[in-house]
Amino acid sequence: DAKTTQPNSMESNEEEPVHLPCNHSTISGTDYIHWYRQLPSQGPEYVIHGLTSNVNNRMASLAIAEDRKSSTLILHRATLRDAAVYYCILSITTGANSKLTFGKGITLSVRP
Amino acid sequence: EAGVAQSPRYKIIEKRQSVAFWCNPISGHATLYWYQQILGQGPKLLIQFQNNGVVDDSQLPKDRFSAERLKGVDSTLKIQPAKLEDSAVYLCASSYYLEQFFGPGTRLTVL
Repeated sequence: DAKTTQPNSMESNEEEPVHLPCNHSTISGTDYIHWYRQLPSQGPEYVIHGLTSNVNNRMASLAIAEDRKSSTLILHRATLRDAAVYYCILSITTGANSKLTFGKGITLSVRP
Repeated sequence: EAGVAQSPRYKIIEKRQSVAFWCNPISGHATLYWYQQILGQGPKLLIQFQNNGVVDDSQLPKDRFSAERLKGVDSTLKIQPAKLEDSAVYLCASSYYLEQFFGPGTRLTVL
């Protein structure tokens, strides 16, 4: 399975943008890039996914490098509720469903 | 839209006992997943169902773990007998397409 590399942790200030990096140098042409986050004592929550082009949704933006070997999750204005573990995952797609292999993720702390 | 339901939320058992977890996925989701999350680690996929058939159970310890999904809806995951290292949160997820929706999990403590 293609793997991702993320820093262990990152700190940010409330109401400021946050850029969470992810390296995936062995990504294959059909791998989707997914981001999930997990708040304390909860199950993971889908954030965003993309294949080649940058993606935006109500939660975040996903910027994908042109060679697809790295990507960045952008939270435009961090809130205290965004403090969580963020997982960058390359999915193996089989038909309409994907197999997710979680790593340790990056722990985001948000300072008031 | 109702989310993925799991029960119980917490379970404490002694080693060598048996335990079962239940999951009710989001209505209409054909794919159901069971994950194990040990403290400090990311979730690990144990088994994936497509309707009531198994797609992937390569990481399921089949000597003690079993899972079924009757009629392609609800699912149960069983551990028999439990070991100390099975202490973890067991997460159920379901999907219609690429996005997986997770339940709150069952926290299992094996003493």
